[in-house]
Amino acid sequence: AQSVTQLGSHVSVSEGALVLLRCNYSSSVPPYLFWYVQYPNQGLQLLLKYTSAATLVKGINGFEAEFKKSETSFHLTKPSAHMSDAAEYFCAVGRYSGGGADGLTFGKGTHLIIQP
Amino acid sequence: EAQVTQNPRYLITVTGKKLTVTCSQNMNHEYMSWYRQDPGLGLRQIYYSMNVEVTDKGDVPEGYKVSRKEKRNFPLILESPSPNQTSLYFCASSLLPPGQGYGYTFGSGTRLTVV
Repeated sequence: AQSVTQLGSHVSVSEGALVLLRCNYSSSVPPYLFWYVQYPNQGLQLLLKYTSAATLVKGINGFEAEFKKSETSFHLTKPSAHMSDAAEYFCAVGRYSGGGADGLTFGKGTHLIIQP
Repeated sequence: EAQVTQNPRYLITVTGKKLTVTCSQNMNHEYMSWYRQDPGLGLRQIYYSMNVEVTDKGDVPEGYKVSRKEKRNFPLILESPSPNQTSLYFCASSLLPPGQGYGYTFGSGTRLTVV
């Protein structure tokens, strides 16, 4: 079974500082990996995804993530945090079962707090 | 506008009173899924569907039913809701297999409270 672990349920950074949100995955097959963002009272929005085309993936709003197979990691970064980045972030991995690919398995989420 | 629409957005109900949360997508997507979100637990898959009349259980299907009679609609049914089903529910859809790199488009969520 596939799974993801997000390190840190809450991360606090100062405005303008580097944002680093950690995600480690477990998968018996080559993984497809995703980062989603959830703003208050909203649904989830896709930030970026890894589909094996390139290990460094660029997403929306200045975020990027690097797939590192040796470390089984897919950490999300942004060089300079903005107040509008305050949100919940979810890492996810593609699911596989006897019936084939059947959705995504999500991590527990990381709440990003931006200090002025 | 391409979207996944859930109704209602908020619902308070009593234990044992059957309810349905509707989900509709206008993107002609094959794949649809229901998730519940609970603090500290992230999102957990309840049911998913790969096409009309094809549904299967996710990780937490107990107490829920679904149907997929039309491609655009995927209602979630709680026949006898209990307080432990109080949660935030999301419907999601995808044109191609979401687990193979395509991901999901999510609805805005339904916050359900069972008292």
